Amino acid sequence: DAKTTQPPSMDCAEGRAANLPCNHSTISGNEYVYWYRQIHSQGPQYIIHGLKNNETNEMASLIITEDRKSSTLILPHATLRDTAVYYCIVRAGGGADGLTFGKGTHLIIQP
Amino acid sequence: EPEVTQTPSHQVTQMGQEVILRCVPISNHLYFYWYRQILGQKVEFLVSFYNNEISEKSEIFDDQFSVERPDGSNFTLKIRSTKLEDSAMYFCASSGHGFVLVFEQYFGPGTRLTVT
Repeated sequence: DAKTTQPPSMDCAEGRAANLPCNHSTISGNEYVYWYRQIHSQGPQYIIHGLKNNETNEMASLIITEDRKSSTLILPHATLRDTAVYYCIVRAGGGADGLTFGKGTHLIIQP
Repeated sequence: EPEVTQTPSHQVTQMGQEVILRCVPISNHLYFYWYRQILGQKVEFLVSFYNNEISEKSEIFDDQFSVERPDGSNFTLKIRSTKLEDSAMYFCASSGHGFVLVFEQYFGPGTRLTVT
């Protein structure tokens, strides 16, 4: 029942940019794209979210295609500590709705 | 930086016993959540809580589960009669303050519940 599709795993060399894709072809007009990550069974950690414009914060950049059917999370200079499972989640903006996690992408940063 | 805390970090209980998992959300947050993650599986939403009542709950959150905010700081999840399949990591999360739209949820480190 997940609304998003992500590759199960990816590798990236330390210091390089990690680009994590996500397909969300059925996204509705009022739904945002959120990214969270989970480092080795710790609690999930919020990374970034966006509606239709590209977004950047201190952790990452989010690129959303013009038709909003897919997006890419970019970690500009990946470090070993970025090894984690990354979840792309589509959800209406505000309020008390729970998050629906899929299986995510296991990103492994190689030294 | 404010953070969500959870106690205990690990709870072992016998099948059929009641357990209470405790969380202290970020102090000015208004929305509170419980999730669980069975080992090797996805994180699953259980329940959300706002304005002293349940806002949304999943199919997992049946009559064996209850939540409470007994005072201004704690948020608890009670499992009345634990089953082996309740063994999981339970995460508390909180979000939202004031009247702005709520976006990010902040998660605690989790309580590992082991039912024997």
